[in-house]
Amino acid sequence: GAGVSQSPSNKVTEKGKDVELRCDPISGHTALYWYRQRLGQGLEFLIYFQGNSAPDKSGLPSDRFSAERTGESVSTLTIQRTQQEDSAVYLCASSLPDRVKTQYFGPGTRLLVL
Amino acid sequence: DAKTTQPNSMESNEEEPVHLPCNHSTISGTDYIHWYRQLPSQGPEYVIHGLTSNVNNRMASLAIAEDRKSSTLILHRATLRDAAVYYCIPGPNTGFQKLVFGTGTRLLVSP
Repeated sequence: GAGVSQSPSNKVTEKGKDVELRCDPISGHTALYWYRQRLGQGLEFLIYFQGNSAPDKSGLPSDRFSAERTGESVSTLTIQRTQQEDSAVYLCASSLPDRVKTQYFGPGTRLLVL
Repeated sequence: DAKTTQPNSMESNEEEPVHLPCNHSTISGTDYIHWYRQLPSQGPEYVIHGLTSNVNNRMASLAIAEDRKSSTLILHRATLRDAAVYYCIPGPNTGFQKLVFGTGTRLLVSP
């Protein structure tokens, strides 16, 4: 079946602009996660959704970052007033609610802020 | 989550078996052991998980020590495509669980 998809695959933007990153999880996966990976570094957890609610937003690095999920499906990560340090690969993953450590990752969105 | 210790890197030749060790001595009794890998320029990929018994799937085998303080991911015949960073991640498999990736083991596979 279809895996997790993310769009766009690459995004180049200018400092100060807003960007929206999209994630389509595997059908039936009610848990959805956003992570960030800077070049040469490990994954950083950003936010988790269970259904449409986000019980854990602790990883969002600043109030410029926000995320929403609708219809227990698509999620959008929005970064306002992008900064150069936001340059990274943004990864989305989804899982079944009873298998929360078996997460399936999308290919990521490579964001470059100039 | 339990702390983990993995070798920084390992090397293998194509077609040979590879045993990737992980120490997780502080693992709790109900924690599962998950393994993920990350190929170059790709997102992490789930490999296998287990609780107590050894597990096999189409990608790999997982051998779990009797005291559960260590485990070994076994690739039976390494291919060039298996070159990746491999992470072992112990922890519960229910309730909200973010994945915490350590430094992992970088596996190099030579033709």
